[in-house]
Amino acid sequence: KQEVTQIPAALSVPEGENLVLNCSFTDSAIYNLQWFRQDPGKGLTSLLLIQSSQREQTSGRLNASLDKSSGRSTLYIAASQPGDSATYLCAVSVTGNQFYFGTGTSLTVIP
Amino acid sequence: GAVVSQHPSWVICKSGTSVKIECRSLDFQATTMFWYRQFPKQSLMLMATSNEGSKATYEQGVEKDKFLINHASLTLSTLTVTSAHPEDSSFYICSARDQRAIYGYTFGSGTRLTVV
Repeated sequence: KQEVTQIPAALSVPEGENLVLNCSFTDSAIYNLQWFRQDPGKGLTSLLLIQSSQREQTSGRLNASLDKSSGRSTLYIAASQPGDSATYLCAVSVTGNQFYFGTGTSLTVIP
Repeated sequence: GAVVSQHPSWVICKSGTSVKIECRSLDFQATTMFWYRQFPKQSLMLMATSNEGSKATYEQGVEKDKFLINHASLTLSTLTVTSAHPEDSSFYICSARDQRAIYGYTFGSGTRLTVV
């Protein structure tokens, strides 16, 4: 069974700082990996999706990398802003449908 | 982009009653929808896969008689928590795949269920 771990569980940084969120998974036979953002009491917003054949994806200030062989992904956020404060979830899909989620990293960006 | 509407956003019910949660794909047809739940400080866990016109597929440990799933049309799936108990209190969220996209999964906004 696929297990997804995210480190750190919580992170607090001053505004403007660059930061890295980590995700690891136990089974390297994945279909894709996706990073989501979850705001309190709300649903999920997809940030980046990396197919198993890809190494990284970029969207604005966000960059996600994937090292399938080592079972790791990182989400890099550049020049953090208070509006980035949220919980970030990493999810791995094995079949292309079902997602296995990590427990998330709660990010607080201090103005 | 694809939108999935989930209602209600939150609900409080008495122990022993049933609660229905709706998940609608607003601008696309979804032959398959997924139901997840999230307990406090835990990750989202898949409960069941809802298939239009057929029976849902439940994950191990999820009681199919307690969590009734109906996917009667290509745009609507419902999850009914029957005879709810306080331990069913959780955050429930649905997801649907937009067939027009290569890998487009859209999540609903979630339902916070509290059973008192």
